Amino acid sequence: KQEVTQIPAALSVPEGENLVLNCSFTDSAIYNLQWFRQDPGKGLTSLLLIQSSQREQTSGRLNASLDKSSGRSTLYIAASQPGDSATYLCAVRPVSGSRLTFGEGTQLTVNP
Amino acid sequence: KAGVTQTPRYLIKTRGQQVTLSCSPISGHRSVSWYQQTPGQGLQFLFEYFSETQRNKGNFPGRFSGRQFSNSRSEMNVSTLELGDSALYLCASSLRRTTDTQYFGPGTRLTVL
Repeated sequence: KQEVTQIPAALSVPEGENLVLNCSFTDSAIYNLQWFRQDPGKGLTSLLLIQSSQREQTSGRLNASLDKSSGRSTLYIAASQPGDSATYLCAVRPVSGSRLTFGEGTQLTVNP
Repeated sequence: KAGVTQTPRYLIKTRGQQVTLSCSPISGHRSVSWYQQTPGQGLQFLFEYFSETQRNKGNFPGRFSGRQFSNSRSEMNVSTLELGDSALYLCASSLRRTTDTQYFGPGTRLTVL
């Protein structure tokens, strides 16, 4: 059974800092990995999707990497802003099937 | 183009009642999945529909059911509500089943009293 772990559970940083969020998964037989952002009481916003054959994806100040063999992904946020405050979730999709398995998320607070 | 829409956004029910939630996927998307989010269990997969057929089901009791219509809109139904069913129910759509980004709706907040 796939298990996804995110470290740290919570993170508080001053504005402008670069930061890394970690995601690990136990079964490397994944099709892709997706990073999401969730604001309080809201739905999930897709940030980046990395296919299993890819090593990284970039979008603006965000960069996500994937090391499938070691079961790890990182989300790098450059020059953090207060508007980046949210919970960040990673989710993996298996080779067979479509269900996503989510981590418990990292709650990020960026202080002005 | 319009995103995933879910109705209603908020719902309050009492134990024993039943509820139906609706999800309209992004235009052209044929795969719709449902997830339950609670503080204790996090996000858990309920089921997935593609081309009006249930393709995958999570580990939930039979009180949870769903369906998909020919226009890809989907509904989920929970019968005989229990207090533990209080949660944010999220719907996600994607163009195809496996390779694409899943886009989530804003969710339906269900409170069972």
